Amino acid sequence: QSALTQPRSVSGSPGQSVTISCTGTSSDVGAYNYVSWHQQHPGKAPELLIYDVTKRPSGVPDRFSGSKSGNTASLTISGLQVEDEADYYCCSYAGTYTPWVFGGGTKVTVL
Amino acid sequence: QVQLVESGGGLVKPGGSLRLSCAASGFTFSDYYMTWIRQAPGKGLEWVSYIHSRGAPTYYADSVKGRFTISRDNAKNTLYLQMNSLRAEDTAVYYCARDDGWHFGYWGQGTLVTVSS
Repeated sequence: QSALTQPRSVSGSPGQSVTISCTGTSSDVGAYNYVSWHQQHPGKAPELLIYDVTKRPSGVPDRFSGSKSGNTASLTISGLQVEDEADYYCCSYAGTYTPWVFGGGTKVTVL
Repeated sequence: QVQLVESGGGLVKPGGSLRLSCAASGFTFSDYYMTWIRQAPGKGLEWVSYIHSRGAPTYYADSVKGRFTISRDNAKNTLYLQMNSLRAEDTAVYYCARDDGWHFGYWGQGTLVTVSS
């Protein structure tokens, strides 16, 4: 299973909105509503940000939102804050035998 | 609170073996499927292996199939990854993660495996 495709980097000023895309295929992103997003700060473990395309775990600010259209999922960060500077990874369920595939990661820079 | 603590990483020569452990606490370990995910230095995340709550079935990425074995001891609340025939490309931080139903709700802090002569 190939990795999902994400832009290598996106940037924005504090208070702006940025959107990260995650493009897969009809066998993963397009087939299941099981796309999740993880945030990873340098030297730290990833943390769950969004699951089941649009759901937020408790404690995650509502500035973070997810969506999906066809084979592409998206993560939007509204009202960008300095602490949002991190790497973001999408992940999709892809079937029984190779259950999960990750995106290559997107570095978000707050200007 | 949920805690996952990996151990067992280190420096190993190509062709060597290593066993990673992941000690779980703060939840009923035997109720959850568990996964190993790795991250090569400066690279993205790669799913490695997955095990059902009762120990079977198990699944592996093609890159490790036939060399790695995932297992668990529900009595000890511990997940394992036996890694044999290690290659330089297996060098990575290895994370264990809890499957909360089609997503990874909790991750450990990771353990570094370096394969080098």
